[in-house]
Amino acid sequence: EPEVTQTPSHQVTQMGQEVILRCVPISNHLYFYWYRQILGQKVEFLVSFYNNEISEKSEIFDDQFSVERPDGSNFTLKIRSTKLEDSAMYFCASSDLGEGGYTFGSGTRLTVV
Amino acid sequence: EDQVTQSPEALRLQEGESSSLNCSYTVSGLRGLFWYRQDPGKGPEFLFTLYSAGEEKEKERLKATLTKKESFLHITAPKPEDSATYLCAVQALQGGSEKLVFGKGTKLTVNP
Repeated sequence: EPEVTQTPSHQVTQMGQEVILRCVPISNHLYFYWYRQILGQKVEFLVSFYNNEISEKSEIFDDQFSVERPDGSNFTLKIRSTKLEDSAMYFCASSDLGEGGYTFGSGTRLTVV
Repeated sequence: EDQVTQSPEALRLQEGESSSLNCSYTVSGLRGLFWYRQDPGKGPEFLFTLYSAGEEKEKERLKATLTKKESFLHITAPKPEDSATYLCAVQALQGGSEKLVFGKGTKLTVNP
């Protein structure tokens, strides 16, 4: 069964550093998303991406964050100048907006120290 | 603002003991209601999408139903491997938004 692949599975970074989280969406999907889940809290929408541009973003997704599709297969989330409160699980998802819903990856656990 | 409330927060069942999880929602026009299963340290795994009141979908021991204000996930004769957190999410019609708004989930534990 097709799956969304995320790397790394766990990243530890110093406060103030930049991190790039990587995702390989399902190959025939055209819509890509990033969500995050702070420990013990709800899964929260960050951004959606279609046709090489951001189609929607939440209030969380400020200038600290950026997304990119650098080639035909990867989709990345860059977090500049990380803060302690950025520690969370970050999930990539993709969709063809069909009956199959959104397929999520296994996530990257980001720990900012 | 779109909101999703799930109850109970946690549920313990004995193997074979059927029950239901509730998802109440407030949304400015429902495009779809989604049920996901999440295992610890993993991403949400898609179960069902429901689009209109009265719709029902089934998969193995799970059955999801939808009304205009809430959805239920019925679990029939659960097994220990059904233990997980079950997440409900809604997608609004307004503005062509694609984002999912999630509830906090119901953590289900099925004891053998």
